[in-house]
Amino acid sequence: DAGITQSPRHKVTETGTPVTLRCHQTENHRYMYWYRQDPGHGLRLIHYSYGVKDTDKGEVSDGYSVSRSKTEDFLLTLESATSSQTSVYFCAISPITYNEQFFGPGTRLTVL
Amino acid sequence: GIQVEQSPPDLILQEGANSTLRCNFSDSVNNLQWFHQNPWGQLINLFYIPSGTKQNGRLSATTVATERYSLLYISSSQTTDSGVYFCAGHYKAGTALIFGKGTTLSVSS
Repeated sequence: DAGITQSPRHKVTETGTPVTLRCHQTENHRYMYWYRQDPGHGLRLIHYSYGVKDTDKGEVSDGYSVSRSKTEDFLLTLESATSSQTSVYFCAISPITYNEQFFGPGTRLTVL
Repeated sequence: GIQVEQSPPDLILQEGANSTLRCNFSDSVNNLQWFHQNPWGQLINLFYIPSGTKQNGRLSATTVATERYSLLYISSSQTTDSGVYFCAGHYKAGTALIFGKGTTLSVSS
């Protein structure tokens, strides 16, 4: 199994509060991704990173920011959480782009 | 448009039965992967299969890229096979995986 951990695994927060989710990998892969999974929409890409300090937007990036200061860590921040951001968030990694991606265990976020 | 379509949407089996899940994908989608999302929500990689056939125990997959489809075969199904099976591919050599809506499999003993 790919060495990917996500923290926290579950979080309940209130509208308007900041939230940071962490993805940590032990594979030294260059590419890291954040997806969200919602009923009826499947998994959609939020942001991705192609190296330390190198990030770009995905399909559903509004309301989210990311940072990657170390190869092994990719942080997803909701600056001011809204109820529409209630979802399951998955981190993924891959050694090169356009290649097999491996997913972490997910974080279930509920915004009240 | 960008399409990854899976069939059937739902499948109910008795333990021991065989099944075939299908994934059709559009011209701009490549490098197919199959995943199993178990009842606890984990996404487990089954196959990375841009083309050809691969086997892993009771599971096998075939992708015919020229005809834009992939098949996942599950033989002698077990209750632990229950969950949602997704296929996903890359759009035009891009970064994001485009997922199908999944096939929900229920295996009863």
